[in-house]
Amino acid sequence: DQQVKQNSPSLSVQEGRISILNCDYTNSMFDYFLWYKKYPAEGPTFLISISSIKDKNEDGRFTVFLNKSAKHLSLHIVPSQPGDSAVYFCAASAIGDKLIFGTGTRLQVFP
Amino acid sequence: NAGVTQTPKFRVLKTGQSMTLLCAQDMNHEYMYWYRQDPGMGLRLIHYSVGEGTTAKGEVPDGYNVSRLKKQNFLLGLESAAPSQTSVYFCASTPAGATDTQYFGPGTRLTVL
Repeated sequence: DQQVKQNSPSLSVQEGRISILNCDYTNSMFDYFLWYKKYPAEGPTFLISISSIKDKNEDGRFTVFLNKSAKHLSLHIVPSQPGDSAVYFCAASAIGDKLIFGTGTRLQVFP
Repeated sequence: NAGVTQTPKFRVLKTGQSMTLLCAQDMNHEYMYWYRQDPGMGLRLIHYSVGEGTTAKGEVPDGYNVSRLKKQNFLLGLESAAPSQTSVYFCASTPAGATDTQYFGPGTRLTVL
């Protein structure tokens, strides 16, 4: 059973517009959430995170929103740039436990 | 610092052959992990280690063995490769107490014919 789900396998956005990537989870014990970015032929790299005591965390063009009641988080990229084209994984963990990754969303930003 | 490195980058095996994937990190991290990435499946944890000489099973451990004889190295072994083990394998590490933000290697693409 997939505890962390990314229901959109792909997303295409025009340069300069907002990209919104979504992630749903089922385990109410998760208290820390992360987004990783992965380019082809490279390993994932950490992008941004949020703990369950917050509902928003911002880092430059990247903002993560957490809705605990809906068990939903989203990553907003504004403005989107061609270099943002990559696969984005959301991940979650409970205190002291291992990370559980979603299936990934491939973002393509076109000119 | 090289960070997390993986050897080899690519490998093709025949069914039944064995091989070892090597992961090395130079960040003095306590925890190390092996994942596999398959289309539509995301990253799944195979085995992990919370310190030199310790290993534990993850989500999909069957068909794999691991060893952590040195703090900086984490080896993943396939004793008898099967086509179902065709995948991209990623190693990751974290400092103790920061188990969430993991640092990944570049991956090993393994094909089992």
